[in-house]
Amino acid sequence: EAQVTQNPRYLITVTGKKLTVTCSQNMNHEYMSWYRQDPGLGLRQIYYSMNVEVTDKGDVPEGYKVSRKEKRNFPLILESPSPNQTSLYFCASSLSWRGADTQYFGPGTRLTVL
Amino acid sequence: KQEVTQIPAALSVPEGENLVLNCSFTDSAIYNLQWFRQDPGKGLTSLLLIQSSQREQTSGRLNASLDKSSGRSTLYIAASQPGDSATYLCALSGAGSYQLTFGKGTKLSVIP
Repeated sequence: EAQVTQNPRYLITVTGKKLTVTCSQNMNHEYMSWYRQDPGLGLRQIYYSMNVEVTDKGDVPEGYKVSRKEKRNFPLILESPSPNQTSLYFCASSLSWRGADTQYFGPGTRLTVL
Repeated sequence: KQEVTQIPAALSVPEGENLVLNCSFTDSAIYNLQWFRQDPGKGLTSLLLIQSSQREQTSGRLNASLDKSSGRSTLYIAASQPGDSATYLCALSGAGSYQLTFGKGTKLSVIP
């Protein structure tokens, strides 16, 4: 089944404790991205990747890191999480960044930073 | 900077009604526009994608239109059902951008 998977689905952590949220897709997609969703603010893009080893900042990249060493994986790293990073996070992918390519979203990771 | 607005924020209709959800944007230089559905606690599911050169797309009871000159898109849902209850989001990519900009969504409730 074609899908985008994220792990973990739920995470409660404390301020300053490094964490990684994994994202993997099995559709051989070139484009991958991370979003956060907050009440009243909607979905905002954190980082995106056009292909392996090619990443760029979205609208809210502060406090996050990403890497794209393999085509299928695009982990999101919070090196020193803070409470304002408590949010619902989504990974997404598409075949490329051409006009006809649908975005596929993962199920989300709900992160709470205490 | 592109801004995407969806009005109303919430909508409640009786089962069987036809309804229209609205999405407006400020910059007409777009690459494509997508409509998504989000169920509570779940991810987003793509419903329809309209490329910049297209005027509308249809899938089953759903029809999405795009009018770049007026900065508007509509999602028409025919014969609504309780299973259509969800939040509907529109998102667009701007020409020369590699990002999707989302509206804040319209929460639809279809009452049996």
